[in-house]
Amino acid sequence: EVQLVQSGAEVKEPGESLRISCKGSGYSFTSYWITWVRQMPGKGLEWMGRIDPSDSYTQYNPSFQGHVTFSADKSITTAYLQWNTTKASDTAMYYCARDNGVNAFDIWGQGTVVSVSS
Amino acid sequence: DIQMTQSPSSLSASIGDRVTITCRASQRIGTYLNWYQQRPGKAPNLLMSTASSLQSGVPSRFSGSGSGTDFTLTISSLQPEDFATYYCQQSFSMPRTFGQGTQLEIK
Repeated sequence: EVQLVQSGAEVKEPGESLRISCKGSGYSFTSYWITWVRQMPGKGLEWMGRIDPSDSYTQYNPSFQGHVTFSADKSITTAYLQWNTTKASDTAMYYCARDNGVNAFDIWGQGTVVSVSS
Repeated sequence: DIQMTQSPSSLSASIGDRVTITCRASQRIGTYLNWYQQRPGKAPNLLMSTASSLQSGVPSRFSGSGSGTDFTLTISSLQPEDFATYYCQQSFSMPRTFGQGTQLEIK
C-alpha cells in the first residue's frame, strides 16, 4: 500500500524548535516530490513548498521561506519539516503529500497538529 | 502568484441533486487544475487532475471541465458521503495555490 505516515501531534512554546516527519512507503520514495501544506484552524489549504527526496532540492513558497526548512533522508524514506523558532501563528495542521508527477497531490499523510502557545 | 477563486464559498443541497462548483484563475493556466475533497477531520483527497482526469477509485458522478481561466467540478447526483469541502489548485506555476474552498452542506 502506498502511504505517507506523519509524526504525532506537537505542543510547543513560542521560540522552541520543532521538526515533524513524513515517512513514505509502498513506492519509490526518490521518484516523487514531497509537498508540504498548511491548514490553519478553520481555514483553507496553503502550499508551503516541496522537496525532491532524490537530491534534497527544495522549492519554497515565498510566504514561508526563511521560517521553515524542508529536508529528507532517502535512506529511511522520510521527509521533514522544521522550524528553528516557532511562533503562535504556526499553530495549524500540517500535511505532507506526494506530488504525482503531473503536479497533483495524490497521496496525503494523515496530518500533524502543531500547537504553539505559552 | 496566481489567485484561485471558487464560487460559491458554501452551498446547501439535497441527496440526489446535481451540483456545480466553479473555480476561476487570475491568469490562464491551461488545464493545470486539480480538485480535492476534504471531509471533516480528514486529509484532502485528490478527485481530479489536469481539469478533467478522474482519479482511480473516484466515483463517476464526479466530473471536471474547463481550460484557461474557468473550471467547473460537477457532482451529478449527490450522495451522503459527498458532503465535504472542495478545493481547486493550480499546478501551472510556482507557488502552487489553492482556492479558498467550497463547503457543501446538506439541505
